[in-house]
Amino acid sequence: DTEVTQTPKHLVMGMTNKKSLKCEQHMGHRAMYWYKQKAKKPPELMFVYSYEKLSINESVPSRFSPECPNSSLLNLHLHALQPEDSALYLCASSQERKESYEQYFGPGTRLTVT
Amino acid sequence: AQTVTQSQPEMSVQEAETVTLSCTYDTSESDYYLFWYKQPPSRQMILVIRQEAYKQQNATENRFSVNFQKAAKSFSLKISDSQLGDAAMYFCAYVQGAQKLVFGQGTRLTINP
Repeated sequence: DTEVTQTPKHLVMGMTNKKSLKCEQHMGHRAMYWYKQKAKKPPELMFVYSYEKLSINESVPSRFSPECPNSSLLNLHLHALQPEDSALYLCASSQERKESYEQYFGPGTRLTVT
Repeated sequence: AQTVTQSQPEMSVQEAETVTLSCTYDTSESDYYLFWYKQPPSRQMILVIRQEAYKQQNATENRFSVNFQKAAKSFSLKISDSQLGDAAMYFCAYVQGAQKLVFGQGTRLTINP
């Protein structure tokens, strides 16, 4: 099973709202990732969790707050977003073993900020 | 910093024909991994094929194969017997450490029936 699930599929929120994106994997992967993807562009890395600890933060604004409650779950809390934050948000996971560096992606959450 | 370049923003091919997507990368490392990902209009990013830099043999997955030229830092993807379902954005990606994928800008592939 190489499935990463994400909820919700679509989200529309105002600039004063607080919402959360959720990601789940049951592949036993110990690294999980959040990416932001604009139309016709490659994904941009936002955060990496390794063994449930934040290991990489790509200078993401504080209005995005990641959380890793356990090894299978990853959340992205959103607050006071801007219209330019509208994008596809992708979650991914991978092994930490050298032989298995490939990342498996979820279907994404399409976020629209109004 | 490592970079990945896909010089073909768009490609098209007739159904059942063969197409090759180009990718070059820049790194000073000797041990790394390369991937091709496919993202159809439905948007889920799917791993197509992977190549370990220390392996000289080119990876193959059914109709998908790569031409890995380590000295030239080239990693092209060949799709044989193209099918309508192959239509997608294809991203070439590099990883040296465990965690940071570096993507190319992508090539949009259209399959003509």
